[in-house]
Amino acid sequence: GENVEQHPSTLSVQEGDSAVIKCTYSDSASNYFPWYKQELGKRPQLIIDIRSNVGEKKDQRIAVTLNKTAKHFSLHITETQPEDSAVYFCAASTAGGSNYKLTFGKGTLLTVNP
Amino acid sequence: DAGITQSPRHKVTETGTPVTLRCHQTENHRYMYWYRQDPGHGLRLIHYSYGVKDTDKGEVSDGYSVSRSKTEDFLLTLESATSSQTSVYFCAISEGMVGDTQYFGPGTRLTVL
Repeated sequence: GENVEQHPSTLSVQEGDSAVIKCTYSDSASNYFPWYKQELGKRPQLIIDIRSNVGEKKDQRIAVTLNKTAKHFSLHITETQPEDSAVYFCAASTAGGSNYKLTFGKGTLLTVNP
Repeated sequence: DAGITQSPRHKVTETGTPVTLRCHQTENHRYMYWYRQDPGHGLRLIHYSYGVKDTDKGEVSDGYSVSRSKTEDFLLTLESATSSQTSVYFCAISEGMVGDTQYFGPGTRLTVL
């Protein structure tokens, strides 16, 4: 089955700096890669996603890049703010017929220091 | 937030007792999922459903069973709870097409003493 590795497990940055979180996946058939943000005590919520026919996608201060050849994708947050502090999860989809599932990385705890 | 509720939100039980968690959706989505979340392990899939009475196992299905008799409800049962099943359980829903977002419920914190 699919395996998703996520690094780093913790990341601390100063407010205004950029943050980058990287994920690798094992199944070359995976074609959908969402990123979720989970604040303390809350549910995971989608912040951005990318499909395998696109190399990069941006939404304001957040961007995701995908390298299908190397089987890795990354989340980039620019101009970080304290409210960006949370756990971030990457995921990859394996799909086919009735079998649509996401496999998640183990998460990155991002701390933005004021 | 998508129309997903979970009940109960918190539960404390004793080893060996049966426990059932409920996930209810008002979005009429085809797919429903149960995950558990533990420190250092992220979100791990327990079971999922791709339609009424259609279910399949995830990566950590041992000790859990599920049922889906209606589109809107997906039940997770621990037949005989163990301390290793202490966790936060999240339900999620999706329309089930590749590229569809999975929306998560608020979670249930289960403690097995």
